[in-house]
This record gives sequence, C-alpha cells and structure tokens, in this order.
Amino acid sequence: AQSVSQHNHHVILSEAASLELGCNYSYGGTVNLFWYVQYPGQHLQLLLKYFSGDPLVKGIKGFEAEFIKSKFSFNLRKPSVQWSDTAEYFCAVKPSNTGKLIFGQGTTLQVKP
Amino acid sequence: GAVVSQHPSWVICKSGTSVKIECRSLDFQATTMFWYRQFPKQSLMLMATSNEGSKATYEQGVEKDKFLINHASLTLSTLTVTSAHPEDSSFYICSAQGENGYTFGSGTRLTVV
Repeated sequence: AQSVSQHNHHVILSEAASLELGCNYSYGGTVNLFWYVQYPGQHLQLLLKYFSGDPLVKGIKGFEAEFIKSKFSFNLRKPSVQWSDTAEYFCAVKPSNTGKLIFGQGTTLQVKP
Repeated sequence: GAVVSQHPSWVICKSGTSVKIECRSLDFQATTMFWYRQFPKQSLMLMATSNEGSKATYEQGVEKDKFLINHASLTLSTLTVTSAHPEDSSFYICSAQGENGYTFGSGTRLTVV
C-alpha cells in the first residue's frame, strides 16, 4: 500500500538553527509531492510542491525541498528557522493516477526564541 | 487566493444524534472534495472522496452509512456523522480540489458525549 513516512515526530530548535525534516514515500510510479504547514489553530497551508523539473523546489517563507527519486525522499529544509516557524509540518504524496493526497504522520516543530 | 470555509469549527453532541459538517469553496468551483479525519498527534486519514453529482468514494474501513457525504453543488460538500458515538470524536478536515491545487478548510472538532 502507498504510504508516507516522516521520521521526525517532534523537533525542537533554537532560532537561527538549520532545519531538515525527512519524508519518504512508498510508491513505484510517478508522484506529485507536497509539504504543508499547519500553524496553531489554523488550516493547512501549502509550503511547496513538486510536480516535475528541477528536483530542488523553493517554497514560501524560505523553505525548500529536494526530491531524490532514487531514495523516494522529499526532505524539507530551511537554513535558519524563526520562532514563527513553530507549527506542524506534513509531507504529502499524490500518485499521478489518483487525486488523493496521502499524508505523513506530521512533524511538530518547536522553535525556541 | 482560494478559500474553503468549513463549519462548524467545533461541535459537541450527545451520543446517538447526528451532526452535519459543511465545506464550501468560496471563490472557486470544486468538482472534487475530500474528507479527512485527524487523530491527536497523528496524520490526516482520508475518509472519502466527494464528487459533485455522484456518490462519494469511501476509503477502506470507513462506514458509508455512518459518514454520509453529499456533494450537491460545485461549491458545497457536507459530511453527516450519523448516530454519533464517543469514538467518533475527532478533528474532521475537508479539502477542495481546484485549478490551483488543494485548499483545506480549518477543520471541525467533534466531541460526542
């Protein structure tokens, strides 16, 4: 079955530290990849997405992610986090033959000021 | 940008009663909407795919007679939790698929007492 795995469940960082959140998926075919953020009390918002082309994708708020097809990975990165980045982060995969989004378990990021 | 309005944001109901949750795409048409359920500290689990004018497609393990979905127009889908029980208490999120991708509602916290 298709699945998405986020390795880090809870990450605590100090401001200005670098961030990398892991995401791996299991699906042999073509996929679209997404990272969403959910700030406390708010709805899910799209950070970035990959459909095709350059595997290094830049999103909003200084986030980027790299699609490594051979590793079935789509890790999220940010060189310097801010306190306002405290939120829940979800990786999601959409197999190309369906409209369904399959979500990872989510990673809670806590940034200490 | 695309906005999805989900109501109510929270609801408390007695066991045995039914609760209806609405999901509206405010500024775009959505032929497809998705309903998710999110348990604390866990991922969004897709419950069903709602297609305008046709029957919803339920994921394995989701009772279609318990979670009634109606998608009567291109901007409105409803989820009715029938004969609710405490184990149905959860966070329900809808998502609408439009030209610009997926837009999520802010979610509904259902508590069954």
